[in-house]
Amino acid sequence: DTGVSQDPRHKITKRGQNVTFRCDPISEHNRLYWYRQTLGQGPEFLTYFQNEAQLEKSRLLSDRFSAERPKGSFSTLEIQRTEQGDSAMYLCASSKHSRMNTEAFFGQGTRLTVV
Amino acid sequence: DAKTTQPNSMESNEEEPVHLPCNHSTISGTDYIHWYRQLPSQGPEYVIHGLTSNVNNRMASLAIAEDRKSSTLILHRATLRDAAVYYCILRDNQAGTALIFGKGTTLSVSS
Repeated sequence: DTGVSQDPRHKITKRGQNVTFRCDPISEHNRLYWYRQTLGQGPEFLTYFQNEAQLEKSRLLSDRFSAERPKGSFSTLEIQRTEQGDSAMYLCASSKHSRMNTEAFFGQGTRLTVV
Repeated sequence: DAKTTQPNSMESNEEEPVHLPCNHSTISGTDYIHWYRQLPSQGPEYVIHGLTSNVNNRMASLAIAEDRKSSTLILHRATLRDAAVYYCILRDNQAGTALIFGKGTTLSVSS
């Protein structure tokens, strides 16, 4: 297992287009998280799943954003009608949730540029 | 999750110890203290976490004040590879909520 994998690593899109990112978590990790990070800021939480259930969504996740995790394995994050303000690094993380061991493993992210 | 306060930046010399402070005066009894770091152009990585007692692992040590209102991440011998943004995060492990990051401390290490 090579860790959390995100695809693509970079995406340039025109304003108004739709984009979809994929995250493959570490095997057997039941929790999967999506974050967004802009330059000079810490990662901002967007949403997370436990298995296939989406348990929490941040207010940052506007109705143009949708995330899925079918079958509780990989996840996709779609942004519809992209805006320049959506330009950011999108990070995915996974963990095997328990009360004691909650280490989250992050992927290297997908850098989105909206032109 | 309760808020943490960290200095914006710190500097260190290679092979010297580094003490990164974090204040969390409104910590609740069920909050664990987590530290993550983010190297340039990488996703964050776990460093250490603790509840009440001091903790040690191969990367660092975590010293937690007796009243739990502050903690210090200790890198025993800084290397150039330790230059990163270090995030102190409170998380209620029982509730299982997501990690909420602040701006962290940018650590610079000079040779």
